[in-house]
Amino acid sequence: NAGVTQTPKFQVLKTGQSMTLQCAQDMNHNSMYWYRQDPGMGLRLIYYSASEGTTDKGEVPNGYNVSRLNKREFSLRLESAAPSQTSGYFCASSEPWGLNEKLFFGSGTQLSVL
Amino acid sequence: AQSVSQHNHHVILSEAASLELGCNYSYGGTVNLFWYVQYPGQHLQLLLKYFSGDPLVKGIKGFEAEFIKSKFSFNLRKPSVQWSDTAEYFCAVNVGNDMRFGAGTRLTVKP
Repeated sequence: NAGVTQTPKFQVLKTGQSMTLQCAQDMNHNSMYWYRQDPGMGLRLIYYSASEGTTDKGEVPNGYNVSRLNKREFSLRLESAAPSQTSGYFCASSEPWGLNEKLFFGSGTQLSVL
Repeated sequence: AQSVSQHNHHVILSEAASLELGCNYSYGGTVNLFWYVQYPGQHLQLLLKYFSGDPLVKGIKGFEAEFIKSKFSFNLRKPSVQWSDTAEYFCAVNVGNDMRFGAGTRLTVKP
């Protein structure tokens, strides 16, 4: 049982380049999330998807887009990367609150934008 | 603004010392509270959670946390830390479909 799988683990981009971070979960969870983790700021929610076909903005959505391709997959896209997007990115999934009480996290993607 | 505050940025302890990490939140109404831990090189894992009932909750590895509603606090405690507890600890609050995290506290335990 792989849980939450993220790719790639590391990525270096030049300013203005685009890329997509992939995330897949095999736990049949309805809800999926993308967080970024910055030193001294903890995790901040970028976007989330409460169920297949729906997405909503979180705390820091600017500069990002997401796609909930199906129940398993939730991708995060940077259309034009900026140095301010250098960060650790974590995908997570969960059942709706009340049915299951915790987030399952992927191992993260370290992104550097030069 | 609604937020989750962790008071300590970096805590350094010797093995067998007692630990208390502070967490305060500013959300009103009913909240669900969590502590997550991130060991070096690993992803975040749930340490413990509070939804309702006994405000003193016990988690894995000897950790516990106390929910004090009047103080909007959910502090994490461990009576005697070990070197293997070296990690970053995040307090989190669930509000609706959103999970908001504190900035994290880095714990270093000296052997």
